[in-house]
Amino acid sequence: QVQLQESGPGLVKPSETLSLTCTVSGDSISTFYWSWLRQPPGRGLEWIGYVYYTGSTNYNSSLKSRVTLSVDTSKNHFSLKLNSVTAADTAVYYCARAKSGRSYVPFDVWGPGTMVIVSS
Amino acid sequence: QSALTQPASVSGSPGQSITISCTGTSSDVGGYNFVSWYQQHPGKAPKVMIYDVSDRPSGVSDRFSGSKSGYTASLTISGLQAEDEADYYCSSYTSVIPHVVFGGGTKLTVL
Repeated sequence: QVQLQESGPGLVKPSETLSLTCTVSGDSISTFYWSWLRQPPGRGLEWIGYVYYTGSTNYNSSLKSRVTLSVDTSKNHFSLKLNSVTAADTAVYYCARAKSGRSYVPFDVWGPGTMVIVSS
Repeated sequence: QSALTQPASVSGSPGQSITISCTGTSSDVGGYNFVSWYQQHPGKAPKVMIYDVSDRPSGVSDRFSGSKSGYTASLTISGLQAEDEADYYCSSYTSVIPHVVFGGGTKLTVL
């Protein structure tokens, strides 16, 4: 049974770079599309982007200039970098897998989420 | 402002049925059968309950069903149970960037 686990700092200073990693266990990272999503406190979900195991990426245009997604198949994990963060980037960040054969919806496996606070 | 429109809250008594609507446009809900519904309990990650409008993943109760008419998709929960109390989000593929849109979420209260 595949499981995802996000990891990274829970506190990031304004203007710095938020970096998170999602480790995939129970299955290979290959052949699936892997996404990052986020949820500000008390608000709804926002898709950030996806990375394919080949390294191909696609981003939400609202964040595209600040986001970089990457994958490391040797470590079976993928990563998110979001630069120039502000308080508006404070959120729970989730990694998720798109269902087999899909690049976008539905997301059938999710990590538990990690809270990232942007504050000095 | 979310791309898809959901009611902020719905409620029902145990054993009753409720329906949550999700309204979009021709670029998303109305144009594709790629609507998903997610259940989210407080402090937990979302869980897909319905995908492709009306398909249920293995392990999801058949009390959950989905449908679509025009630009509006619906999630129906029959035989309400206390554990159904949660936030529900609809999502759809969209032909315009960012290609994935969500509704603002609906809080279901089981009275």
